[in-house]
Order: sequence, then C-alpha cells, then structure tokens
Amino acid sequence: GNSVTQMEGPVTLSEEAFLTINCTYTATGYPSLFWYVQYPGEGLQLLLKATKADDKGSNKGFEATYRKETTSFHLEKGSVQVSDSAVYFCALSDARIQGAQKLVFGQGTRLTINP
Amino acid sequence: DSGVTQTPKHLITATGQRVTLRCSPRSGDLSVYWYQQSLDQGLQFLIQYYNGEERAKGNILERFSAQQFPDLHSELNLSSLELGDSALYFCASSESRGTNQPQHFGDGTRLSIL
Repeated sequence: GNSVTQMEGPVTLSEEAFLTINCTYTATGYPSLFWYVQYPGEGLQLLLKATKADDKGSNKGFEATYRKETTSFHLEKGSVQVSDSAVYFCALSDARIQGAQKLVFGQGTRLTINP
Repeated sequence: DSGVTQTPKHLITATGQRVTLRCSPRSGDLSVYWYQQSLDQGLQFLIQYYNGEERAKGNILERFSAQQFPDLHSELNLSSLELGDSALYFCASSESRGTNQPQHFGDGTRLSIL
C-alpha cells in the first residue's frame, strides 16, 4: 500500500541554520504531496503542497520539490527561526478510490530551534 | 484559525463507555475527514464523508461509526471504549473530493480513557 517515510527526529538546530527534513514515499499512480506543521496544542496546518512531478511547493521560506525519480519530497529552509519549532508531517494523497481522498502521513519529525 | 471547529476539546471517560465527537467544517467545504493521532500508531485516517455520503474508510474499528448531517457537520461515535482508544482525534475538511484539495484541520479532541 501507499506509505510515507520521514527522517527520524528529534532534530535540534541553532537559529539561522539550514534545515532539511527528508521524506520519501511509496505510491501507485501520481499522488499529491503535502507538508503539514503542528504547533504545540494545535491541529495540523498545511505548509505547502505539490501536485505533480517537478512541482515546487513553497511557503514562509520553506520549500519542497516533488521528485518522481527518487520518490522524494524533502523539506528545506535556508535559515530557521525559533518560531519554526514544531512537528512536521509529510503526507501523500491516496485517491485510489474515485471521489475519495485520504492522507497517508509519515511519522512526523519534531524540530527544535535554539536561539 | 483553520475554520474547522471541533468539540469538545477534551473528554475524559471510562472503559466501556460511549462518546460522541463533533466537527463543523469550514464554510463551503463538502468533505469531512476523521483522523486518529496516537503515540504508537501516528496519524491514521479513519473515514471520509462527502456531502452526507461515506466515501472512504480507513483503519476504523467496528466500535466506531460516523455520519455527516444535512448541514454538513459530522459526528464520530466511539463505543465500548478501551484504554487503547485514548488519542487525539482530528477532523479535517476540504472543498471537494479532488486529490489536489488540501485538507484543513481542526484543533482536535483529546480523548482520555481511564
């Protein structure tokens, strides 16, 4: 079945460091890919998405490129801030049933940014 | 604020009991999804409704059921509760059924079984 694998956390960085969170997927067909972020005590917020190969999603300085050849969707940010501390989830949209959509999530990566 | 409202925020109950979780989707969204987040299983899809009809089922136990009402709000019913049902339950909504549609999540209901 479809699945998503994220790099294990937790990840701890200093402010202004470069961030990469790896995400690879296994899927039939061509799913849409998403990154969601979860701040403490809150629900998941959509961070960015990409719907086809070579698409680049970007938002708030974060970027991820849909790489079909490596089945990857790594999240990157050039300079992280303390406010980026959260749990990040990579997800794919599994729509093998017509008219239905479910998100398949990775296990999440907890990111802590120290000042 | 995602626009998705879940009530209650917290529920504490005992094994064997039954609870109902409620979700109001964003205005204009026709699809509602339920997910369970637990430490051991991570985030798992439970069920999807679109405009009142069930569209997809995931890892939802037979003790659990859901429905979507004509006003598009949804309820998730959990019965014969077990300790392992303790988790954060999220509702999400999207505009339609399309695979490109992002899902917008509520803040969740934290269920604790004593």
